[in-house]
Amino acid sequence: GNSVTQMEGPVTLSEEAFLTINCTYTATGYPSLFWYVQYPGEGLQLLLKATKADDKGSNKGFEATYRKETTSFHLEKGSVQVSDSAVYFCALTYNNNDMRFGAGTRLTVKP
Amino acid sequence: NAGVTQTPKFRVLKTGQSMTLLCAQDMNHEYMYWYRQDPGMGLRLIHYSVGEGTTAKGEVPDGYNVSRLKKQNFLLGLESAAPSQTSVYFCASRWAFQANTEAFFGQGTRLTVV
Repeated sequence: GNSVTQMEGPVTLSEEAFLTINCTYTATGYPSLFWYVQYPGEGLQLLLKATKADDKGSNKGFEATYRKETTSFHLEKGSVQVSDSAVYFCALTYNNNDMRFGAGTRLTVKP
Repeated sequence: NAGVTQTPKFRVLKTGQSMTLLCAQDMNHEYMYWYRQDPGMGLRLIHYSVGEGTTAKGEVPDGYNVSRLKKQNFLLGLESAAPSQTSVYFCASRWAFQANTEAFFGQGTRLTVV
């Protein structure tokens, strides 16, 4: 079946450091890929998405590229801020209603 | 624009008690979902619905029931609560007919079963 695997956390970085959170997926066809972010005490909200191979999603300085050959959708940011501290979820949707999430990666950014 | 609203936000139950969590969305979305979030386990799908009057089981449906009598509402019921159901519950909704549409989430319900 379809599934998402993302790197385990927690991840702790200093402000202005480079961030990578790895995400790989298993799917029988061509899913759409998403990154969601969850700030403390809140629900998940969309960070970025990509709907076909080689698409790059970007938002708030975060980027991720849909790599079909490696079935990956790694999240990157060149310079993290304290306000980026949150839990990040990789997700896929396939055949409309099937929506799967990774286990989430907690990021803490220290000043 | 309220989006997805969950009630209640917090609840403490005794083992064996029952309760219903309400999810309401005002975006006219066809698809609605209930997830539970546990430490280290991410989001696990309990039940989902692809339209009014329809429901389907997800990964962890045991001990829960759902109903979708109106398009805007998706109810999650616990008939006889157990400590293993202590969790944070999230409802989500999505626009149908396209796999590339994002989900909108409620703020969660923190449930403790003692």
